[in-house]
Amino acid sequence: QSALTQPASVSGSPGQSITISCTGTSSDVGGYNYVSWYQQHPGKAPKLMIYDVSNRPSGVSNRFSGSKSGNTASLTISGLQAEDEADYYCSSYTNSGTLGMFGGGTKLTVL
Amino acid sequence: QVQLQESGPGLVKPSQTLSLTCTVSGGSISSGSDYWSWIRQPAGKGLEWIGRIYTSGTTNYNPALKSRVTISVDTSKNQFSLRLSSVTAADTAVYYCARAGYSGYEGYMDVWGKGTTVTVSS
Repeated sequence: QSALTQPASVSGSPGQSITISCTGTSSDVGGYNYVSWYQQHPGKAPKLMIYDVSNRPSGVSNRFSGSKSGNTASLTISGLQAEDEADYYCSSYTNSGTLGMFGGGTKLTVL
Repeated sequence: QVQLQESGPGLVKPSQTLSLTCTVSGGSISSGSDYWSWIRQPAGKGLEWIGRIYTSGTTNYNPALKSRVTISVDTSKNQFSLRLSSVTAADTAVYYCARAGYSGYEGYMDVWGKGTTVTVSS
């Protein structure tokens, strides 16, 4: 069981916006800004989409945005497109000694 | 740009040691401030970080796997490797290698291999 909690699934229609949450504790998400998000299409390797809570690597669409409030980080995808259908994982630094922690993942379905 | 490619046996017998190699192309494994990581994913499940190595040889491992994992680097071959001992069926997964250190933080992995499937079975 992951220490970072994500909803198992979310869905939305093309053009809509969706938000995926990632809930941790003050030892990880709440205490540090080393939060990242990865997108993974079926059969493919994960791709870094967001780092430092809200920054996008070069080449990532500005439809993807990240934020944090307290112990919960969020990934928002606006103007949903069919190609956004994938699994999304959050990750955070933690001072608890558990290195490389990922959330359990969220399956995004574009209706 | 930097590319990673995993290689190794796709089938390992229970109690034996799983050995995988990640070959780095398009750049030097010993340049910059990068960490080189291994992550795995059982079929239909989430990502599990296994460990990483810095070019100096410093390693960090997932505490849950630490007693069975060894990650090493061969700068002459531009490769890094994973060894996981005493494997069981629970170690069956897709294994990914990745470059970490994006934006200066060792937890951000920006380049990934395509992954290789390892099955533990007799």
